[in-house]
Amino acid sequence: ETGVTQSPTHLIKTRGQQVTLRCSSQSGHNTVSWYQQALGQGPQFIFQYYREEENGRGNFPPRFSGLQFPNYSSELNVNALELDDSALYLCASSLRLAGGGVDEQFFGPGTRLTVL
Amino acid sequence: SQQGEEDPQALSIQEGENATMNCSYKTSINNLQWYRQNSGRGLVHLILIRSNEREKHSGRLRVTLDTSKKSSSLLITASRAADTASYFCATGRLRDDKIIFGKGTRLHILP
Repeated sequence: ETGVTQSPTHLIKTRGQQVTLRCSSQSGHNTVSWYQQALGQGPQFIFQYYREEENGRGNFPPRFSGLQFPNYSSELNVNALELDDSALYLCASSLRLAGGGVDEQFFGPGTRLTVL
Repeated sequence: SQQGEEDPQALSIQEGENATMNCSYKTSINNLQWYRQNSGRGLVHLILIRSNEREKHSGRLRVTLDTSKKSSSLLITASRAADTASYFCATGRLRDDKIIFGKGTRLHILP
């Protein structure tokens, strides 16, 4: 158990809808990263938040957006859902290192999103 | 693709044998981490090796890093049935802090 929680565990939406996924980071961690994992693939980096600001983004369109709150909980919002957005969405919390980069990441169990 | 590469893609070995997985990446990194994932669940952190380190051990795990070849290897010694899982390497890119995962190696330990 990592202490990182995500909600909901499963979600079914239809194309064109909007979705908000939530993550509660491990206590003391100041960085949260979000990943999309398609079946049989490795996680793809969506973006990272550090002290409530976006700090690095992968190759995802602007309809993927996020927020990090002062208590280090976080949201991932996806607008105008497409069929290809169906995937496991993972959040990971960590500490930013003084020399750059992040220390080990603690992952939540993920939210399985299905877009019909 | 923004992903690194692990090889082999799949590996089946007998219980008790050693398993070796390799990871290659493309850009300069802050560190490299290995993770395990069981059946599409959340990832479990195994070990982190920094760019100025060459080898690291944790229990039955041994990780090496060769920054000149941009590659790393994960060795699991005396494998057990519970080691059956997918293993991923993840690199923290130096220039922009992006974290890049490989496609993973699916390890199956045969009884």
